[in-house]
Amino acid sequence: GQNIDQPTEMTATEGAIVQINCTYQTSGFNGLFWYQQHAGEAPTFLSYNVLDGLEEKGRFSSFLSRSKGYSYLLLKELQMKDSASYLCAVTDSNYQLIWGAGTKLIIKP
Amino acid sequence: IAGITQAPTSQILAAGRRMTLRCTQDMRHNAMYWYRQDLGLGLRLIHYSNTAGTTGKGEVPDGYSVSRANTDDFPLTLASAVPSQTSVYFCASSRTSGSTGELFFGEGSRLTVL
Repeated sequence: GQNIDQPTEMTATEGAIVQINCTYQTSGFNGLFWYQQHAGEAPTFLSYNVLDGLEEKGRFSSFLSRSKGYSYLLLKELQMKDSASYLCAVTDSNYQLIWGAGTKLIIKP
Repeated sequence: IAGITQAPTSQILAAGRRMTLRCTQDMRHNAMYWYRQDLGLGLRLIHYSNTAGTTGKGEVPDGYSVSRANTDDFPLTLASAVPSQTSVYFCASSRTSGSTGELFFGEGSRLTVL
């Protein structure tokens, strides 16, 4: 079956760096997404990786290794507003989007 | 209207009742989707539409129906609601189909079936 694994919850300190991992086992691969979802709100797009390597966008970076079925989202200079759930999703060979359950990130002062 | 609008934002419904969740987008996106989000689970696709006039079944379509009469509107209907349909429902759209483009989500509709 198809599966996406992310840690359920992580805690980090304001100003620090945190890495949220995502591993996937899917039938084929056509890209990996990261979305941010604040409590009670809609998910919003953060990043898209289809080739191996690191994509940097301000304080957020996303890394992909297709051979390892692995991605991570790196958040630098953490701010209290970064407290949210981070959703990993993979497009499989049938162009269906498979979602992880999300990682709840708690930022402490 | 800017982006995707869902209505209602919240609803309590008696089991057995019929309910339609409305979704409208003003971005002229071709593809639209309905997801449900339950605690501890990833977003699950209920139905989708790659373009006006066409619809398809997602991962959890039973008990739900959709229509896509035009580009902008994509209502989701629960013919006879059951308690297991208690969830938060998100409508989303993307410029193209095929799940390789960014999804834009509505604010969600929280449905409780008693």
